[in-house]
Amino acid sequence: AQSVAQPEDQVNVAEGNPLTVKCTYSVSGNPYLFWYVQYPNRGLQFLLKYITGDNLVKGSYGFEAEFNKSQTSFHLKKPSALVSDSALYFCAVRHSYNTDKLIFGTGTRLQVFP
Amino acid sequence: DGGITQSPKYLFRKEGQNVTLSCEQNLNHDAMYWYRQDPGQGLRLIYYSQIVNDFQKGDIAEGYSVSREKKESFPLTVTSAQKNPTAFYLCASTPGQGKYQPQHFGDGTRLSIL
Repeated sequence: AQSVAQPEDQVNVAEGNPLTVKCTYSVSGNPYLFWYVQYPNRGLQFLLKYITGDNLVKGSYGFEAEFNKSQTSFHLKKPSALVSDSALYFCAVRHSYNTDKLIFGTGTRLQVFP
Repeated sequence: DGGITQSPKYLFRKEGQNVTLSCEQNLNHDAMYWYRQDPGQGLRLIYYSQIVNDFQKGDIAEGYSVSREKKESFPLTVTSAQKNPTAFYLCASTPGQGKYQPQHFGDGTRLSIL
């Protein structure tokens, strides 16, 4: 079955510290992976994607993600967290057979403390 | 600025009533999507449309209906058959064959039961 798992409901980190939000996936064939961020009462904003190529993908607002094929993971990272990074983060993967569909994880709430 | 406009931002439904959520995009995107977001469950696909006058059911289409008479518009009707309609509804779009493209999201409509 096609799926995305975000094992942590919430991640807490102090401002200035590095952050990691975890994502693992299960799809057939090559995965097309995406990270989105959602602020309260707003839609999702695209952060970055992995299609092919370099395993380290750089995106918006200083975020990056590391694709690891052997571990089927696509963790979101940032070297130095900001209070303004506090939001809900979603990992998503393109469905293998119906490529019009995205499969979303359940989301991870990131809380950055001053 | 190009984008997706969802209206209204807040909507209240009485028992037995149908309500329609509006989604308009000026991005000239071919594909449009409707998602339902519930706390802790991520996003679930209701309906999607790749082209005018055509649409497909997503994972939770029961109790919902859509139309796609114009490229820029994809309204969602929540019918009285949907027994638990309270949720945050998000509309999204992608250009053409969107396999490699991120979805662009509107800012959502929050539907509640009176």
